[in-house]
Amino acid sequence: EPEVTQTPSHQVTQMGQEVILRCVPISNHLYFYWYRQILGQKVEFLVSFYNNEISEKSEIFDDQFSVERPDGSNFTLKIRSTKLEDSAMYFCASRDYYEQYFGPGTRLTVT
Amino acid sequence: EDKVVQSPLSLVVHEGDTVTLNCSYEVTNFRSLLWYKQEKKAPTFLFMLTSSGIEKKSGRLSSILDKKELFSILNITATQTGDSAVYLCAVGGAYNTDKLIFGTGTRLQVFP
Repeated sequence: EPEVTQTPSHQVTQMGQEVILRCVPISNHLYFYWYRQILGQKVEFLVSFYNNEISEKSEIFDDQFSVERPDGSNFTLKIRSTKLEDSAMYFCASRDYYEQYFGPGTRLTVT
Repeated sequence: EDKVVQSPLSLVVHEGDTVTLNCSYEVTNFRSLLWYKQEKKAPTFLFMLTSSGIEKKSGRLSSILDKKELFSILNITATQTGDSAVYLCAVGGAYNTDKLIFGTGTRLQVFP
């Protein structure tokens, strides 16, 4: 059964460093998303991506964040200068027409 | 502001019990309501509901949507220890993005 994959599963970085989180969506899906979940809190929408451009972004998704689909399979989230409050689980999701399928997540720890 | 509210926040039951989880929402441009099960990491898809009054069923799990009263319920009958998880309700909005707005979840613990 096709699934969304994410790498790495856990990333530890120092404040101010850049990180890139990687996702491989399900191959025939057209819509891609990033969500995050701070420990103990609800899952929050960050950004949606369709037809090689951002279709919507949340207030959280400021200038420090960017997304890219560098080739036909990968979908990346870059955080330019990480802050302590960026520590969270980051989920990638993709969908074709209906339900969104989530990847296993990348736990980002900023120290 | 769009919001999704789940209740109860936490539930502890014994195997064999039946549980009902609630989700109410206030979302502009409602398109769908989804239920997910989150065990350790990724939310795994359970149901998507778009029409009022039509029950979706999968084994011991079932769900129904009421678009007039703006809520949904998820029922689990004959619970098993493997049902222990956080159950997330999410509402999808405008078609072209369909970002999901999540509730805080209901943590279900099933003891033998």
